[in-house]
Amino acid sequence: NAGVMQNPRHLVRRRGQEARLRCSPMKGHSHVYWYRQLPEEGLKFMVYLQKENIIDESGMPKERFSAEFPKEGPSILRIQQVVRGDSAAYFCASSPGLAGQFFGPGTRLTVL
Amino acid sequence: AQTVTQSQPEMSVQEAETVTLSCTYDTSESDYYLFWYKQPPSRQMILVIRQEAYKQQNATENRFSVNFQKAAKSFSLKISDSQLGDAAMYFCAYRDQGGSEKLVFGKGTKLTVNP
Repeated sequence: NAGVMQNPRHLVRRRGQEARLRCSPMKGHSHVYWYRQLPEEGLKFMVYLQKENIIDESGMPKERFSAEFPKEGPSILRIQQVVRGDSAAYFCASSPGLAGQFFGPGTRLTVL
Repeated sequence: AQTVTQSQPEMSVQEAETVTLSCTYDTSESDYYLFWYKQPPSRQMILVIRQEAYKQQNATENRFSVNFQKAAKSFSLKISDSQLGDAAMYFCAYRDQGGSEKLVFGKGTKLTVNP
């Protein structure tokens, strides 16, 4: 049973470009979470999704950030017009709906 | 809002010795979950141990155990017989039982294991 998959592992973007981060949950998991980790910090919750629904987006910046988890395919975290402050590690986690989230390896975004 | 505090930015332990990492949290809820995650240099987040607040018995996973003090809102992690592979960042995390399933993390404790 493969774990949570994230790609790409490293992503470099110039200011103003778009970043798309992908997450495939573990087989059988219908809940996906996105977290952001700034250097020397803990993880901060961004958004919680179930298939085709955003359940909690209280941690998402109001502008430029969006997330989706379509019926088919991976969950996508999209950052438009990236700025240097968006440089961070972005982690996806999945769960089958019970306590205990399993994390992917993360995507490290660098904005030049 | 719930908060999680890890007061030890760094800790060190000799190989084969025991170390305890501290965590306190703040919540008005009575039912919740607490977790310890390990983040080695690879940056992969690994679930170490989990505790349900309604359970009085402290959780144990091999060399890892917790001291859960609900009234004091304290959730410390004890690592026995420390190994070099235990060196990592350790994050304490909280989750409500109901509502949003988001995890609230502390800032982490960097554990160094000395040979």
